[in-house]
Amino acid sequence: DSGVTQTPKHLITATGQRVTLRCSPRSGDLSVYWYQQSLDQGLQFLIQYYNGEERAKGNILERFSAQQFPDLHSELNLSSLELGDSALYFCASSAPGVGQREYFGPGTRLTVL
Amino acid sequence: QQQVKQSPQSLIVQKGGISIINCAYENTAFDYFPWYQQFPGKGPALLIAIRPDVSEKKEGRFTISFNKSAKQFSLHIMDSQPGDSATYFCAASIRETSGSRLTFGEGTQLTVNP
Repeated sequence: DSGVTQTPKHLITATGQRVTLRCSPRSGDLSVYWYQQSLDQGLQFLIQYYNGEERAKGNILERFSAQQFPDLHSELNLSSLELGDSALYFCASSAPGVGQREYFGPGTRLTVL
Repeated sequence: QQQVKQSPQSLIVQKGGISIINCAYENTAFDYFPWYQQFPGKGPALLIAIRPDVSEKKEGRFTISFNKSAKQFSLHIMDSQPGDSATYFCAASIRETSGSRLTFGEGTQLTVNP
């Protein structure tokens, strides 16, 4: 158990819908990262938050957005869902300071029908 | 510039054998090279990591070899066991105070036969 929690574990929805994925980082970790894992794209970095502020953006679609709240939990919002958005979405967290390792959560499996 | 290339895509090894997975990167600004192990239905877990000022790092049966001039690094699993059967990802990042955003390789599915 990495200490990073993600809910829900599975999510099945229809095209065009909007969903919210939730992540709680390890206690004391200030950075939260979101990654998407799909069969054809592998593990791709989406976005990073550090202590409530957006720090970096990767290959995140405009239909996707995220935020980190004052209690440091984070939410990833996916809207206007398409079949191709079906994937595993992982959240990771790390403590402040250079060289701190990232701990990954168990992931949310999103299926868009 | 941000890509990390990993090979092979899949690997089958007999119990007790050596598993070798290779990665190559382009961005010379990368300064942290971790390897992650992922079992089905689980999130990636850090296995071992290396910085470019070191040519080799060993932790138990796992060794990273790093060649800075060639921009390549590899994972060696000695005495491979069936329990090592998993998907392995190399990654690279630039470490900052706020953390390290990982660029992953494509993954290698390792099967260790008993």
